[in-house]
Amino acid sequence: AQKITQTQPGMFVQEKEAVTLDCTYDTSDPSYGLFWYKQPSSGEMIFLIYQGSYDQQNATEGRYSLNFQKARKSANLVISASQLGDSAMYFCAMRPFNSGGSNYKLTFGKGTLLTVNP
Amino acid sequence: NAGVTQTPKFQVLKTGQSMTLQCAQDMNHNSMYWYRQDPGMGLRLIYYSASEGTTDKGEVPNGYNVSRLNKREFSLRLESAAPSQTSVYFCASSDQGALPNIQYFGAGTRLSVL
Repeated sequence: AQKITQTQPGMFVQEKEAVTLDCTYDTSDPSYGLFWYKQPSSGEMIFLIYQGSYDQQNATEGRYSLNFQKARKSANLVISASQLGDSAMYFCAMRPFNSGGSNYKLTFGKGTLLTVNP
Repeated sequence: NAGVTQTPKFQVLKTGQSMTLQCAQDMNHNSMYWYRQDPGMGLRLIYYSASEGTTDKGEVPNGYNVSRLNKREFSLRLESAAPSQTSVYFCASSDQGALPNIQYFGAGTRLSVL
């Protein structure tokens, strides 16, 4: 079974500063993917960034980067140069890459509410 | 470029009523999913369809049924709604053909059962 832990219920950051949102995970699968989603107040779930367990380098997508530390089982999201529009709930999720039925299930953390202050 | 479209966006039901949540995707994805999101929790998988013609239970399937109508459409049915089914429901789709099989979500349906 997979488990995702996001220990920060809420975070505050000043506009233009960087912020790190924490995510730790637990799995016995040797191959898996880690995903971050953004949920603004309008409610939709927006895919941000992906990291594979076999990837040697940390993933980056524009202002988003993923600080992946496999030995510590952590996959923290780093947002650089925060903008007011970054205020949202952020979810970390994972799924195994195997041939079984669990391959289809994304396991989500409880989320971190980020507020960007002007 | 619609992606994943869910209808309706909002619904209020009385206990015991039935309804069907509709979901359609235009990305030619072969896998589709239904999740529910409750306050203070992440999303939990209700049912999924790995490919057209197949459906399987997820983490919280009780009280729900699904139909994969064709490759584009995947519906979720509540036969006799209960207050515990008050939630936000999300449909998602992914291309299972190649990693990383990113799941893309619809805008959600907010359901209240009174």
